Amino acid sequence: GAVVSQHPSWVICKSGTSVKIECRSLDFQATTMFWYRQFPKQSLMLMATSNEGSKATYEQGVEKDKFLINHASLTLSTLTVTSAHPEDSSFYICSVKREALIGELFFGEGSRLTVL
Amino acid sequence: GENVEQHPSTLSVQEGDSAVIKCTYSDSASNYFPWYKQELGKRPQLIIDIRSNVGEKKDQRIAVTLNKTAKHFSLHITETQPEDSAVYFCAASNPQAGTALIFGKGTTLSVSS
Repeated sequence: GAVVSQHPSWVICKSGTSVKIECRSLDFQATTMFWYRQFPKQSLMLMATSNEGSKATYEQGVEKDKFLINHASLTLSTLTVTSAHPEDSSFYICSVKREALIGELFFGEGSRLTVL
Repeated sequence: GENVEQHPSTLSVQEGDSAVIKCTYSDSASNYFPWYKQELGKRPQLIIDIRSNVGEKKDQRIAVTLNKTAKHFSLHITETQPEDSAVYFCAASNPQAGTALIFGKGTTLSVSS
């Protein structure tokens, strides 16, 4: 069964609105979650590392004020795309590292965001 | 930081042929190298991985080789089938250091029957 659940799987919004994406670790506690973005026919680009109880670490070029990450519990991390614009339209995927299996990442189903 | 290069970007083979995808990485500290298969609109699925203390690993029709000195690793699929058609991504990380997986640009594999 699914190890990581991501919601919503797809969302359409108007420019200027904010969208929240949730990522839940179902089977184990996750102190670290990763957020990736994938444009059509491109690779997964790491956006940020979400750490439970502390501020997220953002990759170079990713605006922390635009992509708000909150990792409030050991099973939930949220990504909020603020003031979304059409260029933010993408496939956002969260992933969780299971400590007992060093290295392997479990991915959520992904959230396809379309900004009109 | 880590940089992963992947080739080729597209690969077309006939059913039953073998397919080889190659990747190189830049960070000598990386020691975990997974391969993911992604079908259109779906999440990536781990198909095989290898760690730096091993040179080769095989799982049925899929094998991965690692040359740590040259910082190369490759995915080999034998007896390809149409259902192998997908996008394949290689990745690298140093899990012990807490780094995230850094992905290659992907290879679109098409297997025709």
